[in-house]
Amino acid sequence: DTAVSQTPKYLVTQMGNDKSIKCEQNLGHDTMYWYKQDSKKFLKIMFSYNNKELIINETVPNRFSPKSPDKAHLNLHINSLELGDSAVYFCASSQEGVAGEETQYFGPGTRLLVL
Amino acid sequence: ILNVEQSPQSLHVQEGDSTNFTCSFPSSNFYALHWYRWETAKSPEALFVMTLNGDEKKKGRISATLNTKEGYSYLYIKGSQPEDSATYLCAPNYGGSQGNLIFGKGTKLSVKP
Repeated sequence: DTAVSQTPKYLVTQMGNDKSIKCEQNLGHDTMYWYKQDSKKFLKIMFSYNNKELIINETVPNRFSPKSPDKAHLNLHINSLELGDSAVYFCASSQEGVAGEETQYFGPGTRLLVL
Repeated sequence: ILNVEQSPQSLHVQEGDSTNFTCSFPSSNFYALHWYRWETAKSPEALFVMTLNGDEKKKGRISATLNTKEGYSYLYIKGSQPEDSATYLCAPNYGGSQGNLIFGKGTKLSVKP
């Protein structure tokens, strides 16, 4: 059983389109995250959700919006895609525990290419 | 801006060699230091959570230490094997339970048979 899954695995689309990436975790975790692996290969946090509440929102353009229909899902919607949005996007989840020591479990990544 | 640095960027060793690499980070207000192992075309997988008590962590041939005062951590691999080839990421947590991990760029290890 896949613990954290993402769909699609690959996404090729045109500039200006709107797209969504889905994430599901079957671990019963409280918090889910979206990361972007940028062109310099850094993993950077975009959003996290804890019990349907957005608790981190880094300096991400408002074209990106996370949507959490329930605790097991955190989807990423991207409007008006730009060339610079091309990257690998990773979903992760964690269970609340000792502050700061919670292990995050990552999905397989979604490779987005904007043409 | 919190800067997490890992060195070296890449490392090539022969099977059987022991190796180590470094993660340095701002030591103020961090909650824990996470090490992840990231194989090509796979997801990052947790290796260790280094807690503020500074205890060494060990898993098989891999171990890690943490200096909480000066803000650095070492990862050691004893008797490297080809299956150890991966990128090793460190990430201090500065947000507590809000899970704000700041990832370094990683050290890419290649172990030749």
